[in-house]
Amino acid sequence: GDSVTQTEGLVTVTEGLPVKLNCTYQTTYLTIAFFWYVQYLNEAPQVLLKSSTDNKRTEHQGFHATLHKSSSSFHLQKSSAQLSDSALYYCALSDPGGYKVVFGSGTRLLVSP
Amino acid sequence: ETAVFQTPNYHVTQVGNEVSFNCKQTLGHDTMYWYKQDSKKLLKIMFSYNNKQLIVNETVPRRFSPQSSDKAHLNLRIKSVEPEDSAVYLCASGQGAGNTLYFGEGSRLIVV
Repeated sequence: GDSVTQTEGLVTVTEGLPVKLNCTYQTTYLTIAFFWYVQYLNEAPQVLLKSSTDNKRTEHQGFHATLHKSSSSFHLQKSSAQLSDSALYYCALSDPGGYKVVFGSGTRLLVSP
Repeated sequence: ETAVFQTPNYHVTQVGNEVSFNCKQTLGHDTMYWYKQDSKKLLKIMFSYNNKQLIVNETVPRRFSPQSSDKAHLNLRIKSVEPEDSAVYLCASGQGAGNTLYFGEGSRLIVV
């Protein structure tokens, strides 16, 4: 079946420095959508980024990600981390019908002063 | 602004009891989902419905049963709760292929 792998459970970074959260996937579908969701403390997950186009950079709120089908990756990056970025980040993929969205195990990002 | 509403937000119950969670979305979406978020924050799909029809039914114990009266409502009943059912149950809705999920605030279940 489909799967999403996030290798880091916790990423710590100093404010102002760049950050990268890794995401790789396995799927048998040719056409599929990829997401990054963010969950702040005591809140529901919400979408941060979405992409279904190979090799196209997607940006939102200072974060960016590029889908690379050749390496089955959709890493999330930010050039300058902010204290308010501290949260739990999930990488996810959706089947072609949108009926099943599979999430990775999540990466907690902690930005320190 | 919240558009996926879940009740109750919090429920404590004893092993063997029955519990129900309700979910309503006002986004006009065709698809609704139930996810389980455990203590390790793993987010696992349980069910998805499209226009009241069950589409996805993951490997979930039989004591869990979803119910949908129309495309805006999706409830979840747990017939006889077990300690491992303690988790946050998240309802979500979405529309179409490659859709973004919109989550409710969650229903936290504690089984004692």
